[in-house]
Amino acid sequence: QKEVEQNSGPLSVPEGAIASLNCTYSDRGSQSFFWYRQYSGKSPELIMFIYSNGDKEDGRFTAQLNKASQYVSLLIRDSQPSDSATYLCAVNTEGGDSSYKLIFGSGTRLLVRP
Amino acid sequence: EPEVTQTPSHQVTQMGQEVILRCVPISNHLYFYWYRQILGQKVEFLVSFYNNEISEKSEIFDDQFSVERPDGSNFTLKIRSTKLEDSAMYFCASSEGVSYNSPLHFGNGTRLTVT
Repeated sequence: QKEVEQNSGPLSVPEGAIASLNCTYSDRGSQSFFWYRQYSGKSPELIMFIYSNGDKEDGRFTAQLNKASQYVSLLIRDSQPSDSATYLCAVNTEGGDSSYKLIFGSGTRLLVRP
Repeated sequence: EPEVTQTPSHQVTQMGQEVILRCVPISNHLYFYWYRQILGQKVEFLVSFYNNEISEKSEIFDDQFSVERPDGSNFTLKIRSTKLEDSAMYFCASSEGVSYNSPLHFGNGTRLTVT
């Protein structure tokens, strides 16, 4: 069974701090990795994706991928109260020609304290 | 920015009734998906659709479920005879391709309540 694991949290950080969210996955053949933000009762909103080992930065967000350790992380710099949400890690494991199947983790709830 | 739109936002139905959830994917996207999220649980893959046929489906997507692209813009999910356990948020998603750098974009979801 292909799995994506996240700590459910809540992860509580003060405003302005760096929030670090982690994710591990079981399928070594996984090819691309996504971070979505989900506010309560809302749909997942794409933050960023990564498919090569190393770091990828986009504004206040940095995704880090280590395929050897099967580990993905998301750093949020200068955390704001509006960043308070559940962060979903999703992994594309299929890589087929006509399908794109994401396996989601259960999400980490982030709370940014003013 | 283009977005995936879903209607209705909330659907209440009685057990055993048929429901149709509607989606308009992003216009230049070719791949369409349905996911669902039971309250407090993970987002789960249901089905993917490309070139007017199902590409892949999960074990959740049994004979009670069907998908259709009735015209050039809509993508629908039909549940023939709803059960209590079908109560969930249903998300439609679309992607331009299936390559590494072609992510899924989700609609706002339809909350289905089966009573």
